[in-house]
Amino acid sequence: GENVEQHPSTLSVQEGDSAVIKCTYSDSASNYFPWYKQELGKRPQLIIDIRSNVGEKKDQRIAVTLNKTAKHFSLHITETQPEDSAVYFCAASGVFNKFYFGSGTKLNVKP
Amino acid sequence: EAGVAQSPRYKIIEKRQSVAFWCNPISGHATLYWYQQILGQGPKLLIQFQNNGVVDDSQLPKDRFSAERLKGVDSTLKIQPAKLEDSAVYLCASSLNRGPNEQFFGPGTRLTVL
Repeated sequence: GENVEQHPSTLSVQEGDSAVIKCTYSDSASNYFPWYKQELGKRPQLIIDIRSNVGEKKDQRIAVTLNKTAKHFSLHITETQPEDSAVYFCAASGVFNKFYFGSGTKLNVKP
Repeated sequence: EAGVAQSPRYKIIEKRQSVAFWCNPISGHATLYWYQQILGQGPKLLIQFQNNGVVDDSQLPKDRFSAERLKGVDSTLKIQPAKLEDSAVYLCASSLNRGPNEQFFGPGTRLTVL
């Protein structure tokens, strides 16, 4: 089955700096890669996603890049704000819309 | 559009007791997922339904966990008997069809087994 690895497990940045979280996957059949933000005690919320026919997608301060050859994808957050502090999960999905999640990155944005 | 509903939100039981969770997906969503999220970890898929059929239950501990979605709409997840290591948040999610499509999560049920 699919295996998704996520790094780093924790990330601390100064407000205004950029944050990058990286994930790798193993199954070349995976074709949908969402990123979720989960605040303490709350449900995961989709923040951005990318499909395998696209290399990059941007939504305001958030961007995701995908390298299908290397089987890795990354989340980029620019101009970080304290409200960006949360746990971020990557996931990969393919056949039958089954989702495999990374282990999470705890982002701390220091004011 | 109403979101994914789950109940109860919190449950505390003693080990060896049984517990059941309920999920009502977004109307029209054919695919329903149950995940277990242990503190500090990512969600782990327990079972996935497509309408009322099981797509994947390979990570469901079938000696103690069971799930059903009899009419292809709402679903229940049961644990009997519960163990200490079952303490986790149980998340239900749904998506429109087999996709790839965005999945929407419910608020989760936090289970504590004492």
